[in-house]
Amino acid sequence: GAVVSQHPSWVICKSGTSVKIECRSLDFQATTMFWYRQFPKQSLMLMATSNEGSKATYEQGVEKDKFLINHASLTLSTLTVTSAHPEDSSFYICSARWFRASTDTQYFGPGTRLTVL
Amino acid sequence: AQSVTQLDSQVPVFEEAPVELRCNYSSSVSVYLFWYVQYPNQGLQLLLKYLSGSTLVKGINGFEAEFNKSQTSFHLRKPSVHISDTAEYFCAVSVNFGNEKLTFGTGTRLTIIP
Repeated sequence: GAVVSQHPSWVICKSGTSVKIECRSLDFQATTMFWYRQFPKQSLMLMATSNEGSKATYEQGVEKDKFLINHASLTLSTLTVTSAHPEDSSFYICSARWFRASTDTQYFGPGTRLTVL
Repeated sequence: AQSVTQLDSQVPVFEEAPVELRCNYSSSVSVYLFWYVQYPNQGLQLLLKYLSGSTLVKGINGFEAEFNKSQTSFHLRKPSVHISDTAEYFCAVSVNFGNEKLTFGTGTRLTIIP
């Protein structure tokens, strides 16, 4: 159990276009999902926290209008990179929080590699 | 704010040898500690976590870690590594119960030499 999927796994787009990345919790309900960005040979940087039915909370320095997050249901959150530019090229990883009485864990998706030409 | 330092960016180890991956953290409040593993082209998988209680935590795949509050460390160990342990390992901390807002270290690439 506790599987998180991301789609697409990789995407190449032209500069100026928008790209949507989906994050789904397949076998549990996630009231909270997180979006991370990982640069080559670097750590994961938290971009935003997404709560179902409410606006996302963005970390300092992350442009809200550039990275639109929608958490429409308990199993789906989407990240849209608007007007993408080459500097947005990165590995984007989502995680979903599964809260249970005995434990409380984030489960990570496999990531989406975005390349902006 | 909290921070995590993984001093070793790369650690080569011969197969069946023991390994220790180092993690030190900085925080003005109590923390919860985690180790994640990332295999190539995959997401992160939780290896183990320390929330409270015994300072020696056992995880999956034969890994264990020891929380040392005085040294602010949470080193990961395995007595005998296997080729399949080749991966990137990330240490992370959270100041919130519930595994929220994780702060990650820069990772250690463990390479197992046959």
